[in-house]
Amino acid sequence: TQLLEQSPQFLSIQEGENLTVYCNSSSVFSSLQWYRQEPGEGPVLLVTVVTGGEVKKLKRLTFQFGDARKDSSLHITAAQPGDTGLYLCAGVYNQGGKLIFGQGTELSVKP
Amino acid sequence: NAGVMQNPRHLVRRRGQEARLRCSPMKGHSHVYWYRQLPEEGLKFMVYLQKENIIDESGMPKERFSAEFPKEGPSILRIQQVVRGDSAAYFCASSPGLTTGELFFGEGSRLTVL
Repeated sequence: TQLLEQSPQFLSIQEGENLTVYCNSSSVFSSLQWYRQEPGEGPVLLVTVVTGGEVKKLKRLTFQFGDARKDSSLHITAAQPGDTGLYLCAGVYNQGGKLIFGQGTELSVKP
Repeated sequence: NAGVMQNPRHLVRRRGQEARLRCSPMKGHSHVYWYRQLPEEGLKFMVYLQKENIIDESGMPKERFSAEFPKEGPSILRIQQVVRGDSAAYFCASSPGLTTGELFFGEGSRLTVL
């Protein structure tokens, strides 16, 4: 069974703080994605990482793919209330196969 | 340029009735995926379809659930004889070809079983 473990499950922080969300698996991904979902809406793709060790930045968000392509992290610098939402990591284990999601991290940023 | 369209957005059914959820993929996309989401949980894969073909249905319950993506028209997720445990948000996503993980999601259909 291919599982994606995401942590923490819930995170409540003050505006301006930094945070990191982790995504781990025992299997190697062919690609890994991070999505963000707001209440009542579908997930929206933030980033795709493919190469081991890859780092991508999206404004205050930094995404890292582990060297062995089994794990990833999302770091948010100086969080803002607009960052509040459900962050989901997802991975494809075999090219052309289904996309598997982690259980998500519910982030709340208080002003 | 319309995105993935799902309807109905909200559906209420009584136990034992049938629920039909429809999904029109983005223009030019020939691959459709259905996911189910319970409150405060991630998305659980159900089924992956290409036009007229089921590619992977490993996440579909063995009974009462079926999915199709005909040559013409939307993809349909059908749940027969619904039970309270079927209450959830059902999301459809599409992609232009084989999965790279970059899916475009609809806004979901929220099924409530009374």
